[in-house]
Amino acid sequence: SFELTQPPSVSVSPGQTARLTCSGDNLGDKFACWYQQKPGQSPVLIIYQDNKRPSGLPERFSGSNSGNTATLTIRGTQAMDEADYYCQAWDSSTVVFGGGTKLTVL
Amino acid sequence: QVQLQESGPGLVKPSQTLSLTCSVSGGSISSGDYFWSWIRQPAGKGLECIGRLSTSGTSRNTPSLESRVTISIDMSRNQFSLELTSVTAADSAVYYCARMTALGEGFDLWGQGTLVTVSS
Repeated sequence: SFELTQPPSVSVSPGQTARLTCSGDNLGDKFACWYQQKPGQSPVLIIYQDNKRPSGLPERFSGSNSGNTATLTIRGTQAMDEADYYCQAWDSSTVVFGGGTKLTVL
Repeated sequence: QVQLQESGPGLVKPSQTLSLTCSVSGGSISSGDYFWSWIRQPAGKGLECIGRLSTSGTSRNTPSLESRVTISIDMSRNQFSLELTSVTAADSAVYYCARMTALGEGFDLWGQGTLVTVSS
């Protein structure tokens, strides 16, 4: 079955660029989405169709998807960006989520 | 502004059926061909999509849960529901209802989530 793999944790210093990856077989042939989830809150869609941002989302969030890897890039990372991030794609129209990456800003 | 709100029992006994409802407010569930979906998250773990149903009748459930899942839409009440049969402790989780606009566009709207514990 199709699986998405994310590193369990990523650390970044404030103001630096964070790159979160999501790997899956031929993921680049599918659309990828990204969600941000803070403790005790519902997930929030931050990237859809590989690289599109919902209205109102800061431009420092961007996405790409090629080959077997989708990447979420956060430029100028801020303390408020500390959260869990989940990638998501479709496999034969079935929704698949990655296991999530905890981003720590320190 | 459309909002989603889950409701249902917080405690279900093993082998029984888990039933949850998602109420849609601020807009009609039948306006637009959205996919109305259920997603769950066990404590401290990741997200798992349970399934989805559109008002036009298109549905897709996660294969591992397919035999136990029923999702339905009640347009007269502006709500949709989840039934999960023969539950075990492994089904304990926060259950979210969510809306997906189209394949590729992700889940753009989420409820606040409701915790369901399976225990005798």
